[in-house]
Amino acid sequence: QVQLVESGGGLVKPGGSLRLSCAASGITFSDYYMGWIRQAPGKGLEWISYISSGGSTTYYSDSVKGRVTISRDNARHSLYLQMNNLRADDTAVYYCARDAGNWYFDLWGRGTLVTVSS
Amino acid sequence: SYELTQPLSVSVALGQTATISCGGNNIGNKNVHWYQQRPGQAPVLVIYRDINRPSGIPERFSGSNSGNTATLTISRAQAGDEADYYCLVWYSSAWVFGGGTKLTVL
Repeated sequence: QVQLVESGGGLVKPGGSLRLSCAASGITFSDYYMGWIRQAPGKGLEWISYISSGGSTTYYSDSVKGRVTISRDNARHSLYLQMNNLRADDTAVYYCARDAGNWYFDLWGRGTLVTVSS
Repeated sequence: SYELTQPLSVSVALGQTATISCGGNNIGNKNVHWYQQRPGQAPVLVIYRDINRPSGIPERFSGSNSGNTATLTISRAQAGDEADYYCLVWYSSAWVFGGGTKLTVL
């Protein structure tokens, strides 16, 4: 079954860290560029990070640059997002998504909720 | 940076045609993609590269893009089309989403 499944979300205090994971199945994971997109409660979608198929190229939005690191393990068919120095405005559902090959996302996971609160 | 502007809400009568706009500077020179997001669910791609429908998306969904406006058109609107819709473009090594439009089917 073709799917992406995120995990690792939860409640964390301001200034804390969290590592999100995204497990891919049913696809040749190593062929695809991947991204992370988040959605704050009641708000719109916000792209935050992107990684090339081999992991050598990464992009970050200005809102997370310097606090977030995207990585992948193609042998484990997994994508990761290490988030540090978390703030209240990082509270959101975090989705991983597959780039179809033309700079858009055609397959999304169901998301994992990150709540930053004291 | 690049900004995309969408109306906050659009209403359409059951069976009629809804149009959702996405405005951006010379957006006609970019590829625009559209997503549908129902409450509590992940986004679903409904149009890619301006005019193309992924498999499984009804022909009632169509797109266009010219000048400073891209448009998603939903013909013969159904109750199940009620959702939030987002446009997306790639610009300068970043992906930009529009603010989203809530479609209400009356």
